[in-house]
Amino acid sequence: SQKIEQNSEALNIQEGKTATLTCNYTNYSPAYLQWYRQDPGRGPVFLLLIRENEKEKRKERLKVTFDTTLKQSLFHITASQPADSATYLCALGGYNKLIFGAGTRLAVHP
Amino acid sequence: EAQVTQNPRYLITVTGKKLTVTCSQNMNHEYMSWYRQDPGLGLRQIYYSMNVEVTDKGDVPEGYKVSRKEKRNFPLILESPSPNQTSLYFCASRPPSGGASEQFFGPGTRLTVL
Repeated sequence: SQKIEQNSEALNIQEGKTATLTCNYTNYSPAYLQWYRQDPGRGPVFLLLIRENEKEKRKERLKVTFDTTLKQSLFHITASQPADSATYLCALGGYNKLIFGAGTRLAVHP
Repeated sequence: EAQVTQNPRYLITVTGKKLTVTCSQNMNHEYMSWYRQDPGLGLRQIYYSMNVEVTDKGDVPEGYKVSRKEKRNFPLILESPSPNQTSLYFCASRPPSGGASEQFFGPGTRLTVL
């Protein structure tokens, strides 16, 4: 069955540094991959989408890479701020469904 | 304001007492979906609907029912809730432009079954 792995341990970084979150997957060939942000007690909020034929996508301080050979996506937040502290979910997309990872909690310290 | 709403936000009930969680979206989206979120397991899809009167099972449909009589509403029904259905539930919708579209999530319903 499909499996998505995100770091279960929280990532702690200093304000101003670049945060890098990893999403690895097996037994699946997604047509696209999405990243969402989730704050405590709230629903996920869409951040970025990258398709299987794209290597990299950027949006302001966010950057996503997608390596279909390694079956891995990396999510970068540059110049991180305490307001970036949240849980980040990756999701693999097919025709009618998204398969979500369990998420990685990011804590940015002043 | 474009949004997905869910009610109730919090619910404590007892085993076997039928309940319905409502979901409504005001964005004219054709696709709607229900997920449950449990610690360490991520979001798992329960049911989804491609359009009115068209529903299909997700990965964890056992113990749940849905209906889609109107485009904007997609209620989740638990006919006989059990403690293993204690979870955080999210409704989501997306535009009809294809599967790659972003999903818009509701605020969540925290359900406790005693």
